Amino acid sequence: DAGVTQSPTHLIKTRGQQVTLRCSPISGHKSVSWYQQVLGQGPQFIFQYYEKEERGRGNFPDRFSARQFPNYSSELNVNALLLGDSALYLCASTPQGVGTQYFGPGTRLLVL
Amino acid sequence: SQQGEEDPQALSIQEGENATMNCSYKTSINNLQWYRQNSGRGLVHLILIRSNEREKHSGRLRVTLDTSKKSSSLLITASRAADTASYFCATDSSGGSYIPTFGRGTSLIVHP
Repeated sequence: DAGVTQSPTHLIKTRGQQVTLRCSPISGHKSVSWYQQVLGQGPQFIFQYYEKEERGRGNFPDRFSARQFPNYSSELNVNALLLGDSALYLCASTPQGVGTQYFGPGTRLLVL
Repeated sequence: SQQGEEDPQALSIQEGENATMNCSYKTSINNLQWYRQNSGRGLVHLILIRSNEREKHSGRLRVTLDTSKKSSSLLITASRAADTASYFCATDSSGGSYIPTFGRGTSLIVHP
């Protein structure tokens, strides 16, 4: 079975631009979570979606938004990019939102 | 802020030696998980220990949990060069949020 997939793998943007990251969960998993990982730090929780509804939101500004589609895939949008948004963005899926998280390979975003 | 904090931040050992990493957390938890991350890629789930469990084994991994001290340890026995990675603990608060909160991680280097 395919694991969690994310696209694109790498992305370079300039300050002020907008970016959309995509995630497909493991088949049968209904929950997707997004994390930001800055170099040298652990993943920081951004959003969790379950059955297309937002179940949790981390301490991130409103420039960050997300949604989950009927097929349980998800998009993370970041507007008005700042240099500090440069990070590895990780998506994780779980069957029902609790317990073990299955992570994708991540999207590495560089903001210049 | 990080819920879990790993110690040490970095660990360098020879192949065949044991590696021990510790995790401390601040609030009551439902469960604690350990993850491994190779070179800034996606995280791989290693083991989950519930708050009512004290010890768990998986292959060369041994995890202990002391809820009175709010701490956990991960022991990797007979380490291999392939164990070189960053290791993170993740806790979810029993206060109602099941979203795992990650520490900053321990960077393990195993020299062949």
